[in-house]
Amino acid sequence: DAKTTQPPSMDCAEGRAANLPCNHSTISGNEYVYWYRQIHSQGPQYIIHGLKNNETNEMASLIITEDRKSSTLILPHATLRDTAVYYCIVRVSSSNTGKLIFGQGTTLQVKP
Amino acid sequence: GAVVSQHPSWVICKSGTSVKIECRSLDFQATTMFWYRQFPKQSLMLMATSNEGSKATYEQGVEKDKFLINHASLTLSTLTVTSAHPEDSSFYICSAREGSSDGPTLHFGNGTRLTVT
Repeated sequence: DAKTTQPPSMDCAEGRAANLPCNHSTISGNEYVYWYRQIHSQGPQYIIHGLKNNETNEMASLIITEDRKSSTLILPHATLRDTAVYYCIVRVSSSNTGKLIFGQGTTLQVKP
Repeated sequence: GAVVSQHPSWVICKSGTSVKIECRSLDFQATTMFWYRQFPKQSLMLMATSNEGSKATYEQGVEKDKFLINHASLTLSTLTVTSAHPEDSSFYICSAREGSSDGPTLHFGNGTRLTVT
């Protein structure tokens, strides 16, 4: 199963875009990239996922490189409530029932 | 959107007692649920996969006789921590899979903070 590498922490100014990188150089062709975030003392919250095309929803945009070895989660206008740990996860293959294995994530601190 | 409810949100118990944590999918059916544990300042660690109508699949190093999982219906899975000890104090989180097996979205409960005294 592909592993991911994320910077342990990042800061972002309120109102600015937050760009969170993730490396997944060993991703295989049928593995999706998922992003979740966890606000302190809560369960993780689904943000977005993609296979190879860029994706956008009401929360964020996901940019996946053409070789699929890395991706970037973009929060276009970060607010203080976006302060959380962000997890980039490559979903294990369907033969493993779709479970998600969490890495250490990136702690995003949005500052006023 | 899909909601997963976990109960209780926190519990304090004495060493040696058992504690049951419930995980419910409120507006969808979940044939598979997952149980995670999280220690302070650490990431989530997958404990087991709960399958409706069959035995749970435990991750390596997780004691199945200590962490009993029952998935009796398509909307309810329970985790029982038996003979709890202070080292079992942790944040326990469940998740449920909505949709088909291909690219499903996992929805998470808000966790149960267990403190064993």
